[in-house]
Amino acid sequence: EAEVAQSPRYKITEKSQAVAFWCDPISGHATLYWYRQILGQGPELLVQFQDESVVDDSQLPKDRFSAERLKGVDSTLKIQPAELGDSAMYLCASSLGLWLAGGSEQFFGPGTRLTVL
Amino acid sequence: SQQGEEDPQALSIQEGENATMNCSYKTSINNLQWYRQNSGRGLVHLILIRSNEREKHSGRLRVTLDTSKKSSSLLITASRAADTASYFCATGTRSNDYKLSFGAGTTVTVRA
Repeated sequence: EAEVAQSPRYKITEKSQAVAFWCDPISGHATLYWYRQILGQGPELLVQFQDESVVDDSQLPKDRFSAERLKGVDSTLKIQPAELGDSAMYLCASSLGLWLAGGSEQFFGPGTRLTVL
Repeated sequence: SQQGEEDPQALSIQEGENATMNCSYKTSINNLQWYRQNSGRGLVHLILIRSNEREKHSGRLRVTLDTSKKSSSLLITASRAADTASYFCATGTRSNDYKLSFGAGTTVTVRA
């Protein structure tokens, strides 16, 4: 069964360092999402792509976070510099394209757990 | 900011019992979805219900939606130990029905 792949699964870094997360969505899924989930809370959307274009990045802290999906397939989320408050689970998800009215289920990867020391 | 709010925050039941959790939201929606998350893992989609639907079933799961009260419920019947997880509701609005806003979740523990 097709799955969303993410790496690394765990990342420990010191504050002020740069970190990067990678996501490979399910083949054929045009829409890709990055979420941040703080322990004890629900996921919060950081950025949404349709193919290689950003649809929504209103919650992305653009002073330190960046995301790209250059060829409309896999994606990278970067944090530079990392801060203590960035410790969280970073989840990637994908779904069929936005042309399907009424929403669609999202398929989530296993996540990257980031710890900033 | 999170639009959905689940109730209760935590639920402990005996195997074989039913588990019911509720979700309330603030703004008009296009669709509402329920997801399950096992400890420290990614989320798994359970059910999507659209704003013009009132009830959906999937196996042992039953979801209702009352748009007049801006609320939804998820019922798990004949619970099993494997149902132990956190359950989240997520809403998509008319302006972007693919942008989901998640609640804080209900943690369900099923005792053997």
